[in-house]
Amino acid sequence: GQQLNQSPQSMFIQEGEDVSMNCTSSSIFNTWLWYKQDPGEGPVLLIALYKAGELTSNGRLTAQFGITRKDSFLNISASIPSDVGIYFCAGQSLKGNKLVFGAGTILRVKS
Amino acid sequence: DVKVTQSSRYLVKRTGEKVFLECVQDMDHENMFWYRQDPGLGLRLIYFSYDVKMKEKGDIPEGYSVSREKKERFSLILESASTNQTSMYLCASSSNLGGTYGYTFGSGTRLTVV
Repeated sequence: GQQLNQSPQSMFIQEGEDVSMNCTSSSIFNTWLWYKQDPGEGPVLLIALYKAGELTSNGRLTAQFGITRKDSFLNISASIPSDVGIYFCAGQSLKGNKLVFGAGTILRVKS
Repeated sequence: DVKVTQSSRYLVKRTGEKVFLECVQDMDHENMFWYRQDPGLGLRLIYFSYDVKMKEKGDIPEGYSVSREKKERFSLILESASTNQTSMYLCASSSNLGGTYGYTFGSGTRLTVV
């Protein structure tokens, strides 16, 4: 199936540091989504982006929908221990309701 | 609070057993999905359904089947469980309405096949 390239695969950072992760695709998407999965739970939607160039914030999280519609990034500012988890990007093309997911970025925070 | 509920958090089954994983959503969503999650491989789509009694294969359907007899319930069936089906299974649902297509996920079922 379609693939999203998500990087980095994992990060181990100091509490208070900023975090950046991104996803790229060879296909155009009309929606980009970012999810977070806490240990032992299902993924939860963090941010949804619907327009090329859109920049959206949710507290300490900021995400952008790339101009080319083939990429997106997520930034987390001033990380805290509860930011630990797996972050997934997901894209949706114009056809159908199916999302394509990235492989995830594992975030660990050292306090 | 809207929910996707998976019937079991943890399951241990023997090789060759027939296994049923149940998922129920209370949001009147049209679309339901089953994924498996393995370290380093992300979320891989097994089967999905856009309507009652309708199903479509995802990327890794081999060894699995599904059933959607009612709109709110989507069952994943492992016809003859094998050790390589040990994994975390996630159910999700989504709506066609309102212009947003984000999924709501269940908490997952961690299946171990011994």
